[in-house]
Formats: sequence, structure tokens, C-alpha cells
Amino acid sequence: DGGITQSPKYLFRKEGQNVTLSCEQNLNHDAMYWYRQDPGQGLRLIYYSQIVNDFQKGDIAEGYSVSREKKESFPLTVTSAQKNPTAFYLCASSIRRDRQNTEAFFGQGTRLTVV
Amino acid sequence: GEDVEQSLFLSVREGDSSVINCTYTDSSSTYLYWYKQEPGAGLQLLTYIFSNMDMKQDQRLTVLLNKKDKHLSLRIADTQTGDSAIYFCAESWGYQKVTFGTGTKLQVIP
Repeated sequence: DGGITQSPKYLFRKEGQNVTLSCEQNLNHDAMYWYRQDPGQGLRLIYYSQIVNDFQKGDIAEGYSVSREKKESFPLTVTSAQKNPTAFYLCASSIRRDRQNTEAFFGQGTRLTVV
Repeated sequence: GEDVEQSLFLSVREGDSSVINCTYTDSSSTYLYWYKQEPGAGLQLLTYIFSNMDMKQDQRLTVLLNKKDKHLSLRIADTQTGDSAIYFCAESWGYQKVTFGTGTKLQVIP
């Protein structure tokens, strides 16, 4: 089945540690995105990538890093520089149709808790 | 720049219709979307509309687009308790990122 998979579903991290969240898609989508969602709030864009080996900062990129070495994969690293990393992280991908990005498909999310 | 706004909360009685509203600022938007998010889950695409359309109906869902006022709405007929969730509108154009609204939490009262 085609889809977008995030792992793990729950992640605990000690303060001062880096941690990497996985996002894989087998939809052959060009664009991939990482969002952060805090309780009772909307989505805030962290990073996005339109094509392999290229990515752009979103609205809240500080303390995060990404890579896009393969079309299928867009891992997000939450570094120790991120002051308040506890949140729900959502990965998404979208296909290009008629020369533009279209609807985004989402993974089920990773809940990161700093302990 | 682009900006998408929604009211934060809506409460309706089971069986009534729900109307969730959204305003956007980017007149270049080509696609406009509605997503549903249940607790602890990702976002599920419900429906989308092209900017050259005024209305789209899909079973209990009706999307209305007023391009002049940059206003998008989602009507859910015969609202059920299973419709309780957060609903996000979103827009996209060109190769730009998809921009999401702040989300509207729909509470359905039995």
C-alpha cells in the first residue's frame, strides 16, 4: 500500500540530546514537509523540500535540521539547540500536478517528549 | 505573504449542519483544501476545490468558494459525533508550500 510513514510514534529524549525523526513515503511525491503542532494550536512549518538534495527553512527552523538524500526520505533532527522541543511532529508529502504542488498527504505523527 | 485564518471553535448539535469558515489572503491560490484531524493522529484530506470552481459537493460535505472575498467554507450536513475533530483549511499555488489555517475544533453535542 502506498503511504507516508513516520517512526517512532512516541519518542522520549533527555535534555541536551539530539534525536532524529524518520519520515518515509512510497508515493513518488516530489515535495516533503515537516510541521510542528503544539497542544490546541495549528501547524507550523519547520522545513520543506521540493526536490532531492534541496530544502528550505520554514517559519520555525531554528534548532532543527533536515536532509533529503533520497526522494522517499526526509528525516528531521531535533537538536539540543531547540529550546522547547516537546510537541507533535507531522511529516507530509505532495505531488506536483499541472506545474504546482497539490494536496499534502500526512503521516500519523511522532509525539516527542523531553524528559 | 500568504495567511489563512479560521475561527478556533464551533459547537453544534448532532443532526444539525456545521459550517466551518476560512479566509485566505493569497489571490494566487490554485487549490484550496479541507483536512480533518482526530486526536493524536495526522491530518486526513477530506476534499479540495480548484480556484476556478464555486462549489463542490461530496456526500455530506459541501465546499463553497467566494474568490472575490477570499472566503472558503465547509458545510457538513447531518453532523454526527464522529465528525468531532479539528478541521484545517489550506491553500497552495505554484511550487510554493501548502499553507494551513489555525484549525477549527468542531464539537458535536449528542
